[in-house]
Amino acid sequence: AQSVTQLDSQVPVFEEAPVELRCNYSSSVSVYLFWYVQYPNQGLQLLLKYLSGSTLVKGINGFEAEFNKSQTSFHLRKPSVHISDTAEYFCAVSGLSSNTGKLIFGQGTTLQVKP
Amino acid sequence: DAGVTQSPTHLIKTRGQQVTLRCSPKSGHDTVSWYQQALGQGPQFIFQYYEEEERQRGNFPDRFSGHQFPNYSSELNVNALLLGDSALYLCASSLRTGMANQPQHFGDGTRLSIL
Repeated sequence: AQSVTQLDSQVPVFEEAPVELRCNYSSSVSVYLFWYVQYPNQGLQLLLKYLSGSTLVKGINGFEAEFNKSQTSFHLRKPSVHISDTAEYFCAVSGLSSNTGKLIFGQGTTLQVKP
Repeated sequence: DAGVTQSPTHLIKTRGQQVTLRCSPKSGHDTVSWYQQALGQGPQFIFQYYEEEERQRGNFPDRFSGHQFPNYSSELNVNALLLGDSALYLCASSLRTGMANQPQHFGDGTRLSIL
């Protein structure tokens, strides 16, 4: 079984400052890792994914994440945020051997970008 | 290229009633998954349909049932509605091939309110 813990429920940050959203996971098997963003009254949009290879993954909108197997973490970072990045961010895992791709989500982190 | 579409966008029901939510997958996708997202929570996997059969089910009671049609569209049915069923219901589609590493594409969801 897998579980995901997002360590911060809310992260306030000023515009143009850097930000890190933290995600830890627990799994008895190897996993694929994903970050999704949810804007108000919308569904989830994929930001980036780690499947294999380089542990530093680049995604859309200037976001990147680093997979750390020893610390079972997959933190999301952006060097300079914009007001438009204000949204809910979800970390998710899928078991490598899953035959359905079922996603296990964390509780979410609200990123609040202030002018 | 149409993405995942869900209908209706909003729905209000009373306790004990039944509801049907609908989903059309992204063009080219053959697999549909349903998630429930309670307010302030991450999405929870309900079940997945492929080749018109339920392939995996999350921890949801039998009041939740589904169907997939030959054109890959899907319905989620919930009977005997409870106040706790109030949530955003998200549909996600993907390609069956290489399931676990295929990113899921989400619709904007149906907001279900139970009075």
